[in-house]
Amino acid sequence: SQQGEEDPQALSIQEGENATMNCSYKTSINNLQWYRQNSGRGLVHLILIRSNEREKHSGRLRVTLDTSKKSSSLLITASRAADTASYFCATDSGGYNKLIFGAGTRLAVHP
Amino acid sequence: DTGVSQDPRHKITKRGQNVTFRCDPISEHNRLYWYRQTLGQGPEFLTYFQNEAQLEKSRLLSDRFSAERPKGSFSTLEIQRTEQGDSAMYLCASSPGTGLSPLHFGNGTRLTVT
Repeated sequence: SQQGEEDPQALSIQEGENATMNCSYKTSINNLQWYRQNSGRGLVHLILIRSNEREKHSGRLRVTLDTSKKSSSLLITASRAADTASYFCATDSGGYNKLIFGAGTRLAVHP
Repeated sequence: DTGVSQDPRHKITKRGQNVTFRCDPISEHNRLYWYRQTLGQGPEFLTYFQNEAQLEKSRLLSDRFSAERPKGSFSTLEIQRTEQGDSAMYLCASSPGTGLSPLHFGNGTRLTVT
């Protein structure tokens, strides 16, 4: 079963625009992570936010976490065509960092 | 850091055949995970190793599936009597043995069962 659910399922924008993806989850967490996946490739870690953090930045990425609403958002600013990929949120379950992934948001950035 | 390596990248097999996939994690990583991903979906957890010990298996891992990690190094995932429903991308990931840390994924093995 998948704990996280991303919204929207697909997003199409122009280069230079911002992209916002949302993730909701069901149970309490220790941390939430965002990953990126290019077509036919493995997942690449983007950012990790702990349950006691509310916001985190990394380059053009901004992640927020609202544990009261069990939701997170990923903002990519000034998007580029190279940002075209699927983006997944993942929440931990268990004491050994086992991650449960959502179904992902497919982002297309058009030049 | 040479990354997580998976072999083969692609495997086409006929229904009923057995297949085996290999994963070489990052050398100093104690934790190793197998996930399965079907088209348009996120990865689904299959199993987890801490060193050579298999500590959890998902309900998705039927008795046709077996995974090993001898000596806590590389891991193999075997599927016996493959079915068309086994067609998917099989992803391996590893992480260090302590604390919160991201997973490092290989590029996966794409299995097609005809």
